Formats: sequence, C-alpha cells, structure tokens
Amino acid sequence: KNEVEQSPQNLTAQEGEFITINCSYSVGISALHWLQQHPGGGIVSLFMLSSGKKKHGRLIATINIQEKHSSLHITASHPRDSAVYICAGASNTGNQFYFGTGTSLTVIP
Amino acid sequence: KAGVTQTPRYLIKTRGQQVTLSCSPISGHRSVSWYQQTPGQGLQFLFEYFSETQRNKGNFPGRFSGRQFSNSRSEMNVSTLELGDSALYLCASSFGNRRGGGLFFGEGSRLTVL
Repeated sequence: KNEVEQSPQNLTAQEGEFITINCSYSVGISALHWLQQHPGGGIVSLFMLSSGKKKHGRLIATINIQEKHSSLHITASHPRDSAVYICAGASNTGNQFYFGTGTSLTVIP
Repeated sequence: KAGVTQTPRYLIKTRGQQVTLSCSPISGHRSVSWYQQTPGQGLQFLFEYFSETQRNKGNFPGRFSGRQFSNSRSEMNVSTLELGDSALYLCASSFGNRRGGGLFFGEGSRLTVL
C-alpha cells in the first residue's frame, strides 16, 4: 500500500465545472504539497499546506490533519487546467517526499 | 530568481553505458532531491542530498548514485544502463528542513535507453 493515495486516477470535466481531487496519507508528514505537471514533464508546486486552507486564484487546497486527508479544488475549470495533479507528503524531517500516483485531469471546452 | 536547471534535457544511451545528469538548485537552497518518473510507476524518490551529504535514499539499486558539491549543485549517475532505466529524471530543490518554503522542480532530463 502506498503511503499516499490519490483519487480519482483520471478525471474528465466540462469547462466551468467544479473539480475535486482527493489525497489520503498514512505516514506522518510535516507538510503536504500539491503539484501540477503539464505534458512535457515540468512540475510546478501549487501549494504547500501544513494546516487549514489555502487559495490561489481558482485553486483551493485544504488539509485535515486529524483525518490525514487533503483536497484540491478547482473552481470554474478551464481547458488550460488539463494536467496531472500530484499530492506529495513531506516527511517530518523535511527531506523526503512520498508521492501519490497522480490524477490526470482533462477539461473539455 | 533563477529556477532549478537540469542538464541535459534529452539524451539517448545504449544498454551498458553510463550517464551523468546535472541539477543546479535555486540559490540558497541546500537540499537537492532526485526522482525517477515512468508511466507505470509514477514519481519515485531516488535520493536526497543536503550540504554534500546523502540524507535519504530510495529503493533503487546501487547502479544509481549521486553527489552534491559545495555550491549545492548535484549530479546523479546511472551505471550499466538497462532498458528499464528509460524515464524522466527530475530534481527538486528546497531549503531541506522543517522551515519548508516549498519544493521547486527542474524541467527534467528525459533518458532513453536503447
């Protein structure tokens, strides 16, 4: 069993829809990262969370430490949001990361 | 502020050869970590260096090795290449402690082994 589990694996949405990607973890972590990877490979860090909620534009990330669960929400989705979204837990020492398998999102115009 | 730079971006090798990949972290970051990404396995942690010392190592054979220099630049080496080593190799830099500050990835080095 992976230390970090993500769902769904694949997601197709119509432009404008509200999207939720879930991440559960079973190890102790100091922070949880949400990453975005576009075709071609480059990875961008969207959020780093250790508690509560963060918002950046149309993206919202939340984390519940007690339940060991985090969610990434995209409001008013757009085709340019199409990418793979990966959650990653940073170990308590901060020097190792546990990755989810990623959620491949396709937003159709 | 310059981002994380990886070189080369693409390379093709044959089985049995060895390869060295380079990663220059963001200025001020002392931690460099390396990852292998394949379609079947996703992102997998290779190892992490902090102040020239390997602090953590993933579950990869000894053919995979790395090092970090005093300027925090890091290299990883894969010897005796196998077909299964074909992958995107990503490095990321960070402050490397509980201070956080995020994780910043390079564009990756795409290795094809023929």
